[in-house]
Amino acid sequence: EVQLVESGGGLVQPGRSMKLSCAASGFTFNNYDMAWVCQAPKKGLEWVATISYDGSSTYYRDSVKGRFTISRDNAKSTLYLQMDSLRSEDTATYYCARRATGFITTEFDYWGQGVMVTVSS
Amino acid sequence: DIQMTQSPASLSASLGETVTIECRASEDIYSNLAWYQQKPGNSPQLLIYDANSLADGVPSRFSGSGSGTQYSLKINSLQSEDVASYFCQQYNNYPFTFGSGTKLEIK
Repeated sequence: EVQLVESGGGLVQPGRSMKLSCAASGFTFNNYDMAWVCQAPKKGLEWVATISYDGSSTYYRDSVKGRFTISRDNAKSTLYLQMDSLRSEDTATYYCARRATGFITTEFDYWGQGVMVTVSS
Repeated sequence: DIQMTQSPASLSASLGETVTIECRASEDIYSNLAWYQQKPGNSPQLLIYDANSLADGVPSRFSGSGSGTQYSLKINSLQSEDVASYFCQQYNNYPFTFGSGTKLEIK
């Protein structure tokens, strides 16, 4: 059974940093591109970042470029999101998601349960 | 960026009815579209991919159609467990973008 379990969220002050983790199991992690998607309270979904199966390629939405870094440790089957210079508008639930195939054009077929990040003083 | 315009924002229907949710892309996305269901308090789950392919384990009362810029999700024989929010998503181009969602309730 595919499982994605996020951790590392909580309350953080504006301008500070936070690192999220996503532990994957039930599939061969290093065969799949992975992504982070966020959802602000009572709002819709926003793609944040994607990383290729081997970590060689990364993609970010404009609003997080230069502040967030997506990475992975295939030996530990774990995905990360380093979030620096956090802003109040980054407050959201962050989901780890698996991309279904190796094609660029592919959907998210599994999602974690999400972790809440609150940016507030 | 590709804008995804989803309608309606909310929908109320009776058990057993058929409902349709629409999604319009601001440019051709070549059927690179998925539909997700998000039940209250839960994470999104994949329903439909490539505009009309049913994801594993999804009941056959769900179906997707469309091409180019216009897509729809149809739910036949509405069940109580279908109460949820539904989102479309294009994965044709970065940045991947989602529709604003449709909240489905039972009358």
